[in-house]
Amino acid sequence: AQRVTQPEKLLSVFKGAPVELKCNYSYSGSPELFWYVQYSRQRLQLLLRHISRESIKGFTADLNKGETSFHLKKPFAQEEDSAMYYCALEETSGSRLTFGEGTQLTVNP
Amino acid sequence: DTGVSQDPRHKITKRGQNVTFRCDPISEHNRLYWYRQTLGQGPEFLTYFQNEAQLEKSRLLSDRFSAERPKGSFSTLEIQRTEQGDSAMYLCASTRGFEQYFGPGTRLTVT
Repeated sequence: AQRVTQPEKLLSVFKGAPVELKCNYSYSGSPELFWYVQYSRQRLQLLLRHISRESIKGFTADLNKGETSFHLKKPFAQEEDSAMYYCALEETSGSRLTFGEGTQLTVNP
Repeated sequence: DTGVSQDPRHKITKRGQNVTFRCDPISEHNRLYWYRQTLGQGPEFLTYFQNEAQLEKSRLLSDRFSAERPKGSFSTLEIQRTEQGDSAMYLCASTRGFEQYFGPGTRLTVT
């Protein structure tokens, strides 16, 4: 069965520092990977998907099939990046999402 | 269109009672999903619909849970004979592409 692991429940960095949120997955096929974000008092929303290979709000994520990882990175964190981040896996297009447990990112001034 | 809406936002019920939640997806979104989220965990998949057809149900969805999507528009999730372990946030999402749009959730507390 597929599984998504986010090893850090909490991550705290200072403004301007680089940040990396880790995500590892287990799945035998070729999944699609996403990062969803939930800002305080807002809904869960898509941040980025691996297939688009684009940078959103300065964040990027590279799918490493050898290491089965999909870490989220940003070179210079901003206070407005403080939020809960969830890594998610989709087996086939349109199917259900399997989420990790989430990482609460706090960017300190 | 203001996005996916869910009703009620909060529900407190006594153990053993039945509850029903409603989800209104974004217009023309053909797929609709239900997830459950407990404290400190990510959302867990419950079931999903393509139009009015229920395509998949998680083994988390015991026989006390039933979901419908009549006419392929809004959906309802009913929990019969609620238990304290059913206390959670119930999330609905809809899509017609790859991005799932989430509602605000219904927080259920079973006392």
